Amino acid sequence: EEQLLESGGGLVQPGGSLRLSCAASGFSISNFVMNWVRQAPGRGLEWVSLISANGGTTYYADSVKGRFTVSRDNARNTVFLQMNSLRAEDTAMYHCVKQMNNCFDFWGRGTLVTVSS
Amino acid sequence: QSVLTQPRSVSGSPGQSVTISCTGTRNDVGGYKYVSWYQQHPGKVPKVMIYDVSKRPSGVPDRFSGSKSGNTASLTISGLQAEDEADYYCCSGAGNSWVFGGGTRLTVL
Repeated sequence: EEQLLESGGGLVQPGGSLRLSCAASGFSISNFVMNWVRQAPGRGLEWVSLISANGGTTYYADSVKGRFTVSRDNARNTVFLQMNSLRAEDTAMYHCVKQMNNCFDFWGRGTLVTVSS
Repeated sequence: QSVLTQPRSVSGSPGQSVTISCTGTRNDVGGYKYVSWYQQHPGKVPKVMIYDVSKRPSGVPDRFSGSKSGNTASLTISGLQAEDEADYYCCSGAGNSWVFGGGTRLTVL
């Protein structure tokens, strides 16, 4: 059974940093583009970042560009999101998402990031 | 990146059909065939219902259909059922990024 398990969320002060992890099981991430999508409490979905299957290409939403860095370790079947200079508006549930057929095919349950003083 | 425009809410009675629109620009919906639709029940993760404008993943009922005309994509749900009550989000490729719509709350009366 496919699973994506995010971890690393928590409460952080504005300006702080967090590193999210997404551990996959039941399939090999090495064949897939992986994404991070976030959802603020009571709000809609927002795409955050994408990393190609081999990790050689990354893209970011304008709202996080220059502050967030996505990476992956295919040998460990894990994707990461390094988040620096965090702002209150980054408060959200962060989902790791497998991309297939040009859509977001499988979602993890997410890890909650709260940015507050 | 811009947010695609969806109606905030739609409603229909069981057995009826409803259509949810998703309006973008030529830089996203109008320029790409990578439009997808997601259903999200409260407290659950989104589930893809339509991809590549009009394709249905395995297991999605054929009551769900998608289309696109110009810069506007549409999701039609026919034969409404109580379990269709949920939030629906459209999504489009936009060059080196993805953009979502603001979401539509579907109420089954």
